[in-house]
Amino acid sequence: AQKVTQAQTEISVVEKEDVTLDCVYETRDTTYYLFWYKQPPSGELVFLIRRNSFDEQNEISGRYSWNFQKSTSSFNFTITASQVVDSAVYFCALSEAGDSGAGSYQLTFGKGTKLSVIP
Amino acid sequence: DSGVTQTPKHLITATGQRVTLRCSPRSGDLSVYWYQQSLDQGLQFLIQYYNGEERAKGNILERFSAQQFPDLHSELNLSSLELGDSALYFCASSVEETAYNEQFFGPGTRLTVL
Repeated sequence: AQKVTQAQTEISVVEKEDVTLDCVYETRDTTYYLFWYKQPPSGELVFLIRRNSFDEQNEISGRYSWNFQKSTSSFNFTITASQVVDSAVYFCALSEAGDSGAGSYQLTFGKGTKLSVIP
Repeated sequence: DSGVTQTPKHLITATGQRVTLRCSPRSGDLSVYWYQQSLDQGLQFLIQYYNGEERAKGNILERFSAQQFPDLHSELNLSSLELGDSALYFCASSVEETAYNEQFFGPGTRLTVL
């Protein structure tokens, strides 16, 4: 069965520091998708990025970057020069395409990492 | 604003009661998902509908049920409520029911069972 592990429960950094949030996943499917969502204190879930299992290119979007490594089943998220507005809970999630016959299209979430950026 | 609306925003009720949570997906989205977020279980998938049909079930209790109506809005019914049902309930929608499509989440309904 699919599983997502975010080993870091809470991280605190000082503003302008770089921070990496770890995500390790398990799946039997060869086709799957990985996502990161942000949940600010207001509570809504905001989509950040999607990556498919066949595309191991790293992606950068402004201060955000993502490192996908199939060899270690990891999809880590780095925030460069963190800001107070980055304070939130970040969730890594997995969606399987179902080619193993056991998947479904729902998102399986990790437990989340609470990031606190201190001014 | 994701375009997904959920009502009510907050709901406080007593054990044993029944409540209905409502979700309107983004315009054009056919697939609706329900998730429960609690402190001990984290974010868990409950159930999915696509164009009115139930497509997948996750960790949904028998006391819970859902449906998607012809206008594509969805309702999650929770009955015989217990203290442990207190949680944030999210609805999400996507254009299609593929693993590829990102799901857009509503603001959630916070249910408190006293």
